[in-house]
Amino acid sequence: NAGVTQTPKFQVLKTGQSMTLQCAQDMNHEYMSWYRQDPGMGLRLIHYSVGAGITDQGEVPNGYNVSRSTTEDFPLRLLSAAPSQTSVYFCASRGYPSGSYEQYFGPGTRLTVT
Amino acid sequence: KQEVTQIPAALSVPEGENLVLNCSFTDSAIYNLQWFRQDPGKGLTSLLLIQSSQREQTSGRLNASLDKSSGRSTLYIAASQPGDSATYLCAVNQEIQGAQKLVFGQGTRLTINP
Repeated sequence: NAGVTQTPKFQVLKTGQSMTLQCAQDMNHEYMSWYRQDPGMGLRLIHYSVGAGITDQGEVPNGYNVSRSTTEDFPLRLLSAAPSQTSVYFCASRGYPSGSYEQYFGPGTRLTVT
Repeated sequence: KQEVTQIPAALSVPEGENLVLNCSFTDSAIYNLQWFRQDPGKGLTSLLLIQSSQREQTSGRLNASLDKSSGRSTLYIAASQPGDSATYLCAVNQEIQGAQKLVFGQGTRLTINP
């Protein structure tokens, strides 16, 4: 198993540009989520999904869009990048619906918006 | 609102010492608590998962305990090694507004000196 994979590893965007961060998992997990990690703020939940076709907002959803067309993939779209979106982004997955499952994280995407 | 606190924020000890990292949380209605390790510039690696009904979990030199009633967890590292140097994060999984979400602490940055 590759686990949770993310691409790209690094990205530099100009303000106003859009892009998609890719996330995939091969563990047949229903639950997938996106976090951002910022110094002094810890990890914060952006969006999550409990299965194909079902998504919902987390703590900091503004400026981001998600969709879930397959169990394996959960892309995160930045609609119009802003410097405040400079961060490290992590995708995670786990089993569902029980709340007892262990969560697995991808290696992260380091995004800089200039 | 759930708050997760990790103390100390940083810890530096000589190699070979046994040490304890602390995690406290304000709301005891959790599914489980998970300890992660994060190396600089890397993703999160799951170390131990303790279900809300359990008191402790062990993996090699690591032992994590959970006292849900007092809102505390500890991660005990025996015979520390320089390779244990990393940031350690704890996170509680709970239901928030009808959805299961992880709430993270800010982490403890651990340095083991040879």
